[in-house]
Amino acid sequence: EVQLVESGGGLIQPGGSLRLSCAASGFIFSSYAMSWVRQAPGKGLEWVSGIIGSGGGTYYADSVKGRFTISRDNSKNTLYLQMNSLRAEDTAIYYCAKGQGSGSFNELHYWGQGTLVTVSS
Amino acid sequence: QSVLTQPPSVSAAPGQKVTISCSGTSSSIGNNYVSWYQQLPGTAPRLLIYENDKRPSGISDRFSGSKSGTSATLGITGLQTGDEADYYCGTWDRSLKAVLFGGGTKLTVL
Repeated sequence: EVQLVESGGGLIQPGGSLRLSCAASGFIFSSYAMSWVRQAPGKGLEWVSGIIGSGGGTYYADSVKGRFTISRDNSKNTLYLQMNSLRAEDTAIYYCAKGQGSGSFNELHYWGQGTLVTVSS
Repeated sequence: QSVLTQPPSVSAAPGQKVTISCSGTSSSIGNNYVSWYQQLPGTAPRLLIYENDKRPSGISDRFSGSKSGTSATLGITGLQTGDEADYYCGTWDRSLKAVLFGGGTKLTVL
């Protein structure tokens, strides 16, 4: 059974940093692209970033480019999102999601339960 | 960042059929597969349709998808109160090199 469990969310002041983690199980982690998707309170889904199975290719939404860094440790079956220079508008539930295939982000077959990040002073 | 365009809300009676549209561009829907997601209140999204018209195992055949040009459509037949949720379309944009989601459509089963 595929399981994705996010952690690392919390309350952080504007300008601060936070690292989210997503522990994966139930599949060959290194064979699949992974994504982070966020949802601000009462708003729709926004794709944040994606990384291919090998970790060699990363992609970002314009809204986070230069501030967020996605990475993965295939030996630990874990996905990360390093978030720097956080802003109030980054407040959201952050979901990690599993793609279909090592290089495709187009379809997100499995989602974690999400972790809440609140940026506020 | 641009998004795909969906109607904010749709409604229909139990047992009826509803369609939800999703409009994009040649760099998004026009050249990539479309996926659809259902988000029940207070839960994470789940994949309903992938590659325009395929259903993952466990998804009812009451849900269907189609694509034509730069638009896609989700169809739901035999509406049930349990179908009340937000529905999102999504696809890769080859120019932006990013996944785009529609703004979401809230389905109300009257």
